[in-house]
Amino acid sequence: EIVLTQSPGTLSLSPGERATLSCRASQGVNSRCLTWYQQKPGQAPRLLIYGASTRATGIPDRFCGSGSGTDFTLTISRLEPEDFAVYYCQHYGSSGYTFGQGTKLEIK
Amino acid sequence: QVQVVQSGAEVKKPGASVKVSCKASGYSFTSYYMHWVRQAPGQGLEWMGMINPSADITHYAQKFQGRVTMTRDTSTSTVYMELSSLKSEDTAVYYCAREIPNALNFDYWGQGTLVTVSS
Repeated sequence: EIVLTQSPGTLSLSPGERATLSCRASQGVNSRCLTWYQQKPGQAPRLLIYGASTRATGIPDRFCGSGSGTDFTLTISRLEPEDFAVYYCQHYGSSGYTFGQGTKLEIK
Repeated sequence: QVQVVQSGAEVKKPGASVKVSCKASGYSFTSYYMHWVRQAPGQGLEWMGMINPSADITHYAQKFQGRVTMTRDTSTSTVYMELSSLKSEDTAVYYCAREIPNALNFDYWGQGTLVTVSS
């Protein structure tokens, strides 16, 4: 089973700054199978990026997904107040779906 | 518009079972898969399994095999997730989430159902 490791665990930044979140897979994965979600307290997760780099419907272009193989990145170019949340990467593999442990993006 | 509405919170004793419902509207129910994902308090997301409502085919995570059953009722556009032999570690928010077949991502999520297992 592929394990996804997200870093950092917590990222403290200010509005207007650039955020870079990492998701590393324990072995190479198909980019088509890599997805990013955003979750705010008390809410269900929200689909952000699928296929490693395609923004979901309605997602602002300040969110950008990239990467391949074992290393994937979610970049938020200029943080807005509503972007502070927990972000999860997800992978689909032969045994089903697995999630990373999440990165909490908090206001500095 | 697409809506996925789950049943309300449950409190169960250890060893009991719980059945959570997830009612879909605003789209063709049998054209999309439905998954179940849970989240223990303060923890991350854990995939439990999925059902193809059209073919009535299920696929469960190995961890839950033998303890989870996912069913659907096409007449009411509702899917159900039943988890048996509950333990305190099953205390979590349970989400249903829709997938366009073979899209490999979940585009609409229910609001979540808190299941508390306590003696």
